[in-house]
Amino acid sequence: GNSVTQMEGPVTLSEEAFLTINCTYTATGYPSLFWYVQYPGEGLQLLLKATKADDKGSNKGFEATYRKETTSFHLEKGSVQVSDSAVYFCALSPIQGAQKLVFGQGTRLTINP
Amino acid sequence: KAGVTQTPRYLIKTRGQQVTLSCSPISGHRSVSWYQQTPGQGLQFLFEYFSETQRNKGNFPGRFSGRQFSNSRSEMNVSTLELGDSALYLCASSLGQATSTDTQYFGPGTRLTVL
Repeated sequence: GNSVTQMEGPVTLSEEAFLTINCTYTATGYPSLFWYVQYPGEGLQLLLKATKADDKGSNKGFEATYRKETTSFHLEKGSVQVSDSAVYFCALSPIQGAQKLVFGQGTRLTINP
Repeated sequence: KAGVTQTPRYLIKTRGQQVTLSCSPISGHRSVSWYQQTPGQGLQFLFEYFSETQRNKGNFPGRFSGRQFSNSRSEMNVSTLELGDSALYLCASSLGQATSTDTQYFGPGTRLTVL
């Protein structure tokens, strides 16, 4: 079946540090991959996406590259800010039933000034 | 363009009652999906409606049901509430394309507490 595994949190970094949140997936065929972010008390916001192998999604300084050989979609940012503190979810959209997003367990990120 | 809206934002109910949640999608979006978010189970897919028909369904009991209207607005109903139904219920809308590239946009959620 389809599944997503994220690195366990919580992750605590200092401002301006480099961020990596690991995400690997299991799926039939080549799904689309997404990163969503959830701020306290809010819903999910789409951060970035990639729809085919070797695609790089990017937004607000965050990047992730769709790697089919390692079935991974790791999230990176070169210099984090306090405002990046949130919970980050990796998700896949399967080939069959595209609207049935499968989510990882989420990674809570805290950035200290 | 306005985003996905959900009403109400907060609800408190008691066991055995039923509840209806509402979701208005982004203009032009024909697909509405519902998800349950809990600390223990994370984000789980409930069901998806497209053109007033349930197109995809997750693994939830029949107490969870939904419908979609001709203007694409959707409602979700939970009957005979249980304590374990306490959760954040998220609605997402998309164009509804039958490809994995279809992107879902989420509303702020409805926080349901069952006492």
